[in-house]
Amino acid sequence: DQQVKQNSPSLSVQEGRISILNCDYTNSMFDYFLWYKKYPAEGPTFLISISSIKDKNEDGRFTVFLNKSAKHLSLHIVPSQPGDSAVYFCAANAGNNRKLIWGLGTSLAVNP
Amino acid sequence: DTEVTQTPKHLVMGMTNKKSLKCEQHMGHRAMYWYKQKAKKPPELMFVYSYEKLSINESVPSRFSPECPNSSLLNLHLHALQPEDSALYLCASSRGAGYTFGSGTRLTVV
Repeated sequence: DQQVKQNSPSLSVQEGRISILNCDYTNSMFDYFLWYKKYPAEGPTFLISISSIKDKNEDGRFTVFLNKSAKHLSLHIVPSQPGDSAVYFCAANAGNNRKLIWGLGTSLAVNP
Repeated sequence: DTEVTQTPKHLVMGMTNKKSLKCEQHMGHRAMYWYKQKAKKPPELMFVYSYEKLSINESVPSRFSPECPNSSLLNLHLHALQPEDSALYLCASSRGAGYTFGSGTRLTVV
């Protein structure tokens, strides 16, 4: 049972436009959510996170929105740049549990 | 120092070889992890060490043997691997909910 779902395997966006990556979760015990970016043959790089007590967190071009009632979060990248092309993973964590639960990822292509 | 350092970056080994992967962090994180990742898939958790003690083993075959010599080091000993074990092996550390990943060891079993 996939507790963290990224329903779009891929997304293509024009440079300069907004990229919106979506993530849904089923476990209401999750209280911390993270987005990671991964280039081929490299480890995941932390992008941005959000605690369940917030509904928005912003860091430069990256903003994460959390809708707890819908169990949905989204990552907005604006403006998108070709260097943003990578696989983006959504992950969730509950309390002090050391185990991150990962989505399957969305491959973002930003076209010049 | 805000990094997790993994060595080697690439490793090719035969099915009868014994090798070790190494991971080091100096951020004072007391939880350290081994993950395995296949192309374009999310990382799969293998082991978790908390305060230098093994706290989670995700039913990993015994041909993978983790070791945590001290709070900064994490090793993964490999023996009698199979070709299907070829993957990117990632080390991570955390304090609270913040995780830092290394860049991984690309392992090929021939």
